[in-house]
Amino acid sequence: DGGITQSPKYLFRKEGQNVTLSCEQNLNHDAMYWYRQDPGQGLRLIYYSQIVNDFQKGDIAEGYSVSREKKESFPLTVTSAQKNPTAFYLCASSSEYNEQFFGPGTRLTVL
Amino acid sequence: GQSLEQPSEVTAVEGAIVQINCTYQTSGFYGLSWYQQHDGGAPTFLSYNGLDGLEETGRFSSFLSRSDSYGYLLLQELQMKDSASYFCAVSRPGAGSYQLTFGKGTKLSVIP
Repeated sequence: DGGITQSPKYLFRKEGQNVTLSCEQNLNHDAMYWYRQDPGQGLRLIYYSQIVNDFQKGDIAEGYSVSREKKESFPLTVTSAQKNPTAFYLCASSSEYNEQFFGPGTRLTVL
Repeated sequence: GQSLEQPSEVTAVEGAIVQINCTYQTSGFYGLSWYQQHDGGAPTFLSYNGLDGLEETGRFSSFLSRSDSYGYLLLQELQMKDSASYFCAVSRPGAGSYQLTFGKGTKLSVIP
């Protein structure tokens, strides 16, 4: 079955540690996206990538980094520079401009 | 900047019709999308309007007026499983691609 996988579903880290969230898709989509969602809020764009080895900052990129070495993979690193990293992180991919497919999300809690 | 406004909460009775409005201000605009998200789950795509008018998909319809920067999602024959959050999102140009800017969501509660 085609889809997007994110791992792990729940992640706990100590303050000051970097953490990397995984996102893999087998939909053969060119574009991939990372969003952050806080309780009662909409999704805010962190980074996006249209093609391999290229990515662009979204609205809230500070304290995050990404890589796009393979078409299928778009990992997100939450660095210690991110002041409030506890949130629900969603990865998405798309082939058209009008629909994005989302993974199940990773809920990150920084203690 | 970009901003989208939608009601924070709506309650409706099972079997009824409900309309969720969305107004937007954005630089660059391709179209308006709607996504559904159940608690703890991932958003799923419902509909897209690139042109003015009504799009119908089963029990769901979506409308767009570009001149008014306004759209709505219409849910008919409400079912309990429709209880979820609904997000409008503007598609706008990005570097070599496009970006979605989401509203804060409308939490729909369907009651018996």
